[in-house]
Amino acid sequence: AQSVTQLDSQVPVFEEAPVELRCNYSSSVSVYLFWYVQYPNQGLQLLLKYLSGSTLVKGINGFEAEFNKSQTSFHLRKPSVHISDTAEYFCAVSDLSNYQLIWGAGTKLIIKP
Amino acid sequence: EAGVAQSPRYKIIEKRQSVAFWCNPISGHATLYWYQQILGQGPKLLIQFQNNGVVDDSQLPKDRFSAERLKGVDSTLKIQPAKLEDSAVYLCASDLAGGDTQYFGPGTRLTVL
Repeated sequence: AQSVTQLDSQVPVFEEAPVELRCNYSSSVSVYLFWYVQYPNQGLQLLLKYLSGSTLVKGINGFEAEFNKSQTSFHLRKPSVHISDTAEYFCAVSDLSNYQLIWGAGTKLIIKP
Repeated sequence: EAGVAQSPRYKIIEKRQSVAFWCNPISGHATLYWYQQILGQGPKLLIQFQNNGVVDDSQLPKDRFSAERLKGVDSTLKIQPAKLEDSAVYLCASDLAGGDTQYFGPGTRLTVL
């Protein structure tokens, strides 16, 4: 069965500093990959997705992620974070047989002023 | 385009009481999902509908949880009777049949006392 590992439960970072949130998945077959963001007391919002093609994917709010098939990773990056990026970030993998999402446990991004 | 609607946003009940949540997906989305998100964890799929049929309910605790999507549009998730461990956020999501992206509602936060 597929699994998704988000290596850090919390990532504290200073405002305007760069950040990387790590995500690894277990499958060796073709997958779709997603990053969702959850702001406090809100639902999940799609940040970006990888379906095929270029391994560097750009999303909303200045975020991007790179698909690395050999390392089965899909790390999320932002060159300069803002206080408004404070949220929990979830990585997910889509099982292409039924399009169900397998989720990581989430990483809380904490922005320090 | 209207997003996924859920109600209520918050619910507090005592254990052994019953509760129901409602979800209206994005218009035209054939697939509807209910997830349970316990604090500090990623979402867990409870049930997946395609139109008014159940695709997967393998993780739905059927002794106390039930869900229906009678006309293939909106859906209701019920818990009867509730237990303390049911305290969680219940998320509804929808996508096009065979679509690659799930869109989420704001969720219902359930507290069982």
